[in-house]
Amino acid sequence: DIQMTQSPSSLSASVGDRVTITCRASQGISNSLAWYQQKPGKAPKLLLYAASRLESGVPSRFSGSGSGTDYTLTISSLQPEDFATYYCQQYYSTPPTFGQGTKVEIK
Amino acid sequence: QVQLVQSGAEVKKPGSSVKVSCKASGGTFSSYAISWVRQAPGQGLEWMGGIIPIFGTANYAQKFQGRVTITTDESTSTAYMELSSLRSEDTAVYYCARGGSGSYKGRYYYYYMDVWGKGTTVTVSS
Repeated sequence: DIQMTQSPSSLSASVGDRVTITCRASQGISNSLAWYQQKPGKAPKLLLYAASRLESGVPSRFSGSGSGTDYTLTISSLQPEDFATYYCQQYYSTPPTFGQGTKVEIK
Repeated sequence: QVQLVQSGAEVKKPGSSVKVSCKASGGTFSSYAISWVRQAPGQGLEWMGGIIPIFGTANYAQKFQGRVTITTDESTSTAYMELSSLRSEDTAVYYCARGGSGSYKGRYYYYYMDVWGKGTTVTVSS
């Protein structure tokens, strides 16, 4: 199985900050990467797929980049509603696997 | 727009089984994959397995092989996940999710998941 490692596990940031979360795969995944946002008590919500493609309805302050084994989720200007936990997921091979999550908290 | 409606919370005894349903409302899912993802309290997301109705095949994570069975009833657009030999560590929220799928050289692929159910809480306690 492909292991996905996210960093950091948590971060504190202020409204308006630029936030970057990194996801590293244990082998190359050819941009077969999705990012999800999850708020407490809610189901995950798809933000991006194919590493950089924004899901319909997701604000443009979210962006993704990367290649090979290393990928990044960036929030250009953090908004109050963005405080949540973020997960990456590879779908290059079965089973699809998730990172352990990054919790974004209010500073 | 399709929604996935899951069955209600369950409380089970250790050693028993649970069967959770996931009904597609507002559409069908025969051309998509349905995955089951669970989340233990305070923990991350874990893919348990999935089914691709158009290929007529289910795939399971090795961790759950032999203990989980995923099926669909296409006449009602409902997917089911049954987990047996329950233990306390199975206490979690269980989500169904719709996603794309593919097949290549006899292998099946589950892509990103764009529609999720609200989750079903399963509590295993004596």
